[in-house]
Amino acid sequence: QVQLQQSGPGLVKPSQTLSLTCAISGDSVSSNTAVWNWIRQSPSRGLEWLGRTYYRSKWYNDYAGSVKSRITINPDTSKNQFSLQLNSVTPEDTAVYFCAREGGYCSAGSCYSLYYFDYWGQGILVTVSS
Amino acid sequence: QSALTQPASVSGSPGQSITISCTGTSSDVGGYNYVSWYQQHPGKAPKLMIYEVSNRPSGVSNRFSGSKSGNTASLTISGLQAEDEADYYCSSYTSSSTLWVFGGGTKLTVL
Repeated sequence: QVQLQQSGPGLVKPSQTLSLTCAISGDSVSSNTAVWNWIRQSPSRGLEWLGRTYYRSKWYNDYAGSVKSRITINPDTSKNQFSLQLNSVTPEDTAVYFCAREGGYCSAGSCYSLYYFDYWGQGILVTVSS
Repeated sequence: QSALTQPASVSGSPGQSITISCTGTSSDVGGYNYVSWYQQHPGKAPKLMIYEVSNRPSGVSNRFSGSKSGNTASLTISGLQAEDEADYYCSSYTSSSTLWVFGGGTKLTVL
């Protein structure tokens, strides 16, 4: 059973960097089939996909256009986790942040992604305020 | 404003059926069979209920079903039960650089 455990501060000052970590159990951040995502939820913006990281012989990242200039998602293979950094935050970045997995499978020598989020972290409310 | 359009609320009595719609465009819902539905109870993470338009994960009741026609996907819950009361969100893969879009959510009230 895959479990995602999130950690990080619940309060960040404006203009500073928001940093969260998602620890993985039951799977590997270096999996050739899984994709590791960050998604946030706020009353004003609803659910918003932020970005993802995944390994397919090398590491890849994809980021939402709305945050592309401010976001970094990094894997940490030594701790089997991945992180989110969002720079220059404003009160608009106040939200509950979730990590989530897109699963995948391999068959007959080929590997495929599954286009849905099957496991989620518990969520962390991050408030941007001075 | 969310990319996918859902009704803000729906309601039904125990035992009845309800349907929640999710309208997008040919770049997302209409262009891919990668529509999924999530149930979210207050203070909890979303839970996958339907994937690839109409497939149920193991452990999800067969009272939940999904379909799609053109740019609109639908989630139907039959035999409503009190525990179905929650928020429901649709999601779709999209051809834009923002790979995933979500609906604004529908609050289901079981009367």
